[in-house]
Amino acid sequence: DGGITQSPKYLFRKEGQNVTLSCEQNLNHDAMYWYRQDPGQGLRLIYYSQIVNDFQKGDIAEGYSVSREKKESFPLTVTSAQKNPTAFYLCASTSTGSSGNTIYFGEGSWLTVV
Amino acid sequence: GQQVMQIPQYQHVQEGEDFTTYCNSSTTLSNIQWYKQRPGGHPVFLIQLVKSGEVKKQKRLTFQFGEAKKNSSLHITATQTTDVGTYFCAGTPNNNDMRFGAGTRLTVKP
Repeated sequence: DGGITQSPKYLFRKEGQNVTLSCEQNLNHDAMYWYRQDPGQGLRLIYYSQIVNDFQKGDIAEGYSVSREKKESFPLTVTSAQKNPTAFYLCASTSTGSSGNTIYFGEGSWLTVV
Repeated sequence: GQQVMQIPQYQHVQEGEDFTTYCNSSTTLSNIQWYKQRPGGHPVFLIQLVKSGEVKKQKRLTFQFGEAKKNSSLHITATQTTDVGTYFCAGTPNNNDMRFGAGTRLTVKP
């Protein structure tokens, strides 16, 4: 079945460590996104990529890094520079139709700093 | 920063009452979408509005896009406990990236 797969679903990180969240899609979508959601909060854009080998910072990119070496994959690294990384991370991708984009979300990854 | 504002942040209703959430943008949107996120889940696409003044219905849900394409609303008639969740609007201001509203968390008392 087509869709977006995020892994791991739950991740614990020690302070000072970098961690990488995986996001893979087989929908043949050009654009991919990473959002952060804090408990009871909305979605904040971290990074997005419209095309392979290109990505743009969103509203809260500091402390995060991404790569887009393949169309299907858009991993997010949460670096030790991110001061408050505990949150729910959502990866998404979009199809570009004649009337706009529809976002499809992965099931999310819960990151907890211990 | 946040370019799409959504209100209210929370709404608690008695089952059977109506519910409305509103989104406003400072810039014209090429389209607006609505998503529902159940507690513990991920956002799921509900609908997209593209045309100025567009109105779409899905059973008890009515979606509107303003004439200026800067605001939108989602109205639920006669809420049910299955409507519980957070409703997000998402607008595309510049065709490059999509911005989400902060969401409205709906709780329904049986």
